[in-house]
Amino acid sequence: AQTVTQSQPEMSVQEAETVTLSCTYDTSESDYYLFWYKQPPSRQMILVIRQEAYKQQNATENRFSVNFQKAAKSFSLKISDSQLGDAAMYFCAYRSAINDMRFGAGTRLTVKP
Amino acid sequence: NAGVMQNPRHLVRRRGQEARLRCSPMKGHSHVYWYRQLPEEGLKFMVYLQKENIIDESGMPKERFSAEFPKEGPSILRIQQVVRGDSAAYFCASSPSVLGGEQYFGPGTRLTVT
Repeated sequence: AQTVTQSQPEMSVQEAETVTLSCTYDTSESDYYLFWYKQPPSRQMILVIRQEAYKQQNATENRFSVNFQKAAKSFSLKISDSQLGDAAMYFCAYRSAINDMRFGAGTRLTVKP
Repeated sequence: NAGVMQNPRHLVRRRGQEARLRCSPMKGHSHVYWYRQLPEEGLKFMVYLQKENIIDESGMPKERFSAEFPKEGPSILRIQQVVRGDSAAYFCASSPSVLGGEQYFGPGTRLTVT
């Protein structure tokens, strides 16, 4: 079974600084997808970024980028120029080619003004 | 294109009652997924359905829980004889038929069992 581990229950960053959230996963499959979702206090799940395992190039979306290390099964999220609106729970997720998705326990990010 | 709709947003049930949670996927999406989120935890997969078929229910408790996605109408997650431990946020997500696409989440239904 696939598992997703987020080892940082809480992280804090100063506004305008950079923070990296860690995620590791365990799988025996070669074809899969990885995601980072943001859950603000409204509890709505918002997709931040996605990565296809077959792509070597790290995905980027504006201030958000990932460091995907397939051999190490690591998928960290870097947030640059942190903003107050980035404060939320962040969930790393793994999805196999057969469509079910597994989530990590989450990292609560606090942004200090 | 409206997003994934869930209703009700909040549901209160007494122990022993039934809870019905509804999910309307995004237009054109034929895959629906249900997740449960306990307080301060991540989302746990429950069940994956396509129209009129349950594809994967490995995360669903064997007793009291059932799900359906009929040919017409929303997907329904049904919890019979609710207990306090069922109190959680239940999220529905949908995806198009293309394998591997991201899932789009609804706003969730917060179930409280008193």
